[in-house]
Amino acid sequence: QVQLVQSGAEVKKPGASVKVSCKASGYTFTIYDINWVRQATGQGLEWMAWMNPNRGNTGFAQKFQGRVTFTRNTSISTAYMELTSLRSEDTAVYYCARGLVGRGSGTYFADYWGQGTLVTVSS
Amino acid sequence: DIQMTQSPPSLSASVGDRVTITCRASQRIRSYLNWYQQKPGKAPNLLIYSASTLQSGVPSRFSGSGSGTDFTLTISSLQPEDFATYYCQQGYNTPYTFGQGTKLEIK
Repeated sequence: QVQLVQSGAEVKKPGASVKVSCKASGYTFTIYDINWVRQATGQGLEWMAWMNPNRGNTGFAQKFQGRVTFTRNTSISTAYMELTSLRSEDTAVYYCARGLVGRGSGTYFADYWGQGTLVTVSS
Repeated sequence: DIQMTQSPPSLSASVGDRVTITCRASQRIRSYLNWYQQKPGKAPNLLIYSASTLQSGVPSRFSGSGSGTDFTLTISSLQPEDFATYYCQQGYNTPYTFGQGTKLEIK
């Protein structure tokens, strides 16, 4: 069965960086995108980015430009999200999710999600 | 960026009720609209994509409709496990923005 398993919770100081991993299993890693979505405590979902694990290209929300890097290791079916210059507003649960375009439909959606990784930024 | 606006922000209903949640896009997005359900402490779960296509395994009491800018999610007969927060998301272009969510609570 399809699974996305994320790395454990992190506590970081302001200005530091964090790297979250997302290990995929149960499907061919390079065929589907990996999306990253975050959710601050008690708040809604905020879409961050997609990454194509085959080619390594990405698309992301403008607000994260310059602070976020997405990479992957196809040999171990794992995607990574690194966020730098952390500030308190980055405290959130970060989710990875498998992204795809619906067959015959054209819409882009995320069908399987990781369990989430809590990143806490605090001095 | 496309803005997604859901209404109502919260909703109280009883088991067996029929409920409808609406989602409006700030520009036309054809039928490129998805719905997710999220329960506390859990990851979102895809319910519907392409405005009306039910994801595999999702009960048939869930349905979606709409195109262009206006969309609805309907639950025909609420079950206890349906009390959760629901999000719409546009799948038309990057960034794939979400609505702010609708929290469905037990009356």
